[in-house]
Amino acid sequence: KQEVTQIPAALSVPEGENLVLNCSFTDSAIYNLQWFRQDPGKGLTSLLLIQSSQREQTSGRLNASLDKSSGRSTLYIAASQPGDSATYLCAVRPQVYNTDKLIFGTGTRLQVFP
Amino acid sequence: GAGVSQSPSNKVTEKGKDVELRCDPISGHTALYWYRQRLGQGLEFLIYFQGNSAPDKSGLPSDRFSAERTGESVSTLTIQRTQQEDSAVYLCASSLRGIQGKDSPLHFGNGTRLTVT
Repeated sequence: KQEVTQIPAALSVPEGENLVLNCSFTDSAIYNLQWFRQDPGKGLTSLLLIQSSQREQTSGRLNASLDKSSGRSTLYIAASQPGDSATYLCAVRPQVYNTDKLIFGTGTRLQVFP
Repeated sequence: GAGVSQSPSNKVTEKGKDVELRCDPISGHTALYWYRQRLGQGLEFLIYFQGNSAPDKSGLPSDRFSAERTGESVSTLTIQRTQQEDSAVYLCASSLRGIQGKDSPLHFGNGTRLTVT
């Protein structure tokens, strides 16, 4: 059974720091891995999607890497800002026949203070 | 353009009543997902629809839960005889389904917060 774990559960940093959020999964048979952010009282917003054949994806100050064989992904946030404060979730799409469901981690709650 | 729309945004109901939650996906999105998020917890998969294929119902927690989707349009999630442990935020998402493994991202609605008293 695929399980997704995120470390740390919470993180509080001053503005300007570079951050690394970690995601690990137990079964390397995945199609892709996605990173999302969730603001309080809102749904999830997709940040980056890494296909299983890819090693990393970049969008602005965000960079996500994927090491499928070791079951790990990292989300790197450069020059953090207070507006980055949110919960960050990773999710994997397992290679399971006839379903595209995603399995989510429990998230990292990030607070960036001025 | 319009995103995924869910209604109602909040629902308070008495234990034992039935509730119906609605999701309007992004037009043209063939895949639709329902997830549940209990307070302080991660997202729990409930059900997945893809076009006219048989849905993946493997995440529904009991036979009190059911969901329908007509074609590639609106979906409704029904909870019968609600219990207090059903209290959660119910999130709907939709996406395009690409070639095998080449997915597009999920787009989520803002959810329905269900409180069972």
